[in-house]
Amino acid sequence: AQSVTQLDSQVPVFEEAPVELRCNYSSSVSVYLFWYVQYPNQGLQLLLKYLSGSTLVKGINGFEAEFNKSQTSFHLRKPSVHISDTAEYFCAVSEVGGNQFYFGTGTSLTVIP
Amino acid sequence: KAGVTQTPRYLIKTRGQQVTLSCSPISGHRSVSWYQQTPGQGLQFLFEYFSETQRNKGNFPGRFSGRQFSNSRSEMNVSTLELGDSALYLCASSWGQGGDSPLHFGNGTRLTVT
Repeated sequence: AQSVTQLDSQVPVFEEAPVELRCNYSSSVSVYLFWYVQYPNQGLQLLLKYLSGSTLVKGINGFEAEFNKSQTSFHLRKPSVHISDTAEYFCAVSEVGGNQFYFGTGTSLTVIP
Repeated sequence: KAGVTQTPRYLIKTRGQQVTLSCSPISGHRSVSWYQQTPGQGLQFLFEYFSETQRNKGNFPGRFSGRQFSNSRSEMNVSTLELGDSALYLCASSWGQGGDSPLHFGNGTRLTVT
């Protein structure tokens, strides 16, 4: 089974500042990688996904993530955050050839005006 | 295209009762997964169905069960409710069989057990 680690449980950042949310996974096999966002009282919404190809993936709302196979990481970045980005962010992994998803424990991003 | 629909949105039950939650996946999606979300435990995988067959099951007691119908709609049942079952229950659907098909989540059912 996969293990997904989101080291930062809470990240406060000022509005218009850049942010990076970290995600590491355990597998040595090929994987698919996802980032989801959850706003209060809602389900999870897909931000972006890495299936294959370019290691830099662009998603919705100006977010992007970079897949680093050697470091087994998939960090999420945004160059300038807005108040509306305040939410919980989840990293998820599935193995190529598998059908299960493994989620990290989430990072709560708070954007400070 | 309509998203994943979960009903009801809120439920209040008493210890010892049972509850059934419903999930309608996105049209054309054949896989449905269920997750339990609590502040302390994060997202915990319950089970996943594909074409009416349970393919994967998480580490939950037998009080938690589910099923999927021929139209891909799914239900989960929790019997003999305990206080610790209070949580947000999320349903997610995906179109394919593999892990390359992203999950699409509903807004959840918030269950409160008193």
